[in-house]
Amino acid sequence: EVQLVESGGGLVQPGGSLRLSCVASGFTFSVYNMNWVRQAPGKGLEWVSYISASSTSIYYADSMKGRFAISRDNAKNSLYLQVNSLRAGDTAIYFCARDRGGRAFDMWGHGTMVTVSS
Amino acid sequence: QSALTQPASVSGSPGQSITISCTGTSSDIGGFNYVSWYQQYPGKAPKLMIFDVSNRPSGISHRFSGSKSANTASLTISGLQAEDEADYYCSSYTSSSAVVFGGGTKLTVL
Repeated sequence: EVQLVESGGGLVQPGGSLRLSCVASGFTFSVYNMNWVRQAPGKGLEWVSYISASSTSIYYADSMKGRFAISRDNAKNSLYLQVNSLRAGDTAIYFCARDRGGRAFDMWGHGTMVTVSS
Repeated sequence: QSALTQPASVSGSPGQSITISCTGTSSDIGGFNYVSWYQQYPGKAPKLMIFDVSNRPSGISHRFSGSKSANTASLTISGLQAEDEADYYCSSYTSSSAVVFGGGTKLTVL
């Protein structure tokens, strides 16, 4: 089955860290650029980060630069997002999304929930 | 990276056509033909409906069409059906190699 499955979310205190994972199956993960997109409860979509197929190009939304780090392991068909110095405003569902080109996301995971609260 | 501007809500009756606008700047929508549109049902992941301004992925109904003029993109849904009731988001590639989304539009089928 062609799918993306995220994991690693949870409840974390302000200032804490998490490592989110996304495992791909059913397609050749290593040839696709990938992204993370988040959605706060009841709010709209917000792009987080992009990584090219070979990890040579990486971009972040301005509000996440310096706190978030995207990476991938093509041998494990996996995408990661290290999220540090978390604050309440980072509370959201984090989706991984496959990039078909032109930053159009043609496949999405079900998302993993990150809740930042004391 | 200011969000693209979409109307908060639109509505239409079954069989009618509706258009959702998405306004940006020359640094995003106006500068590239990389506008996408997504449909999202409550509690579900978004689904790509339009890419590269006006292209439909395989399996997407011809009732969905996209266009662009200057800094504004549009999604038109013709022959409105009850199942089209959902949230719709536009997005665009930007000059800083980022992606910016619109705030989302809630479509109500009357």
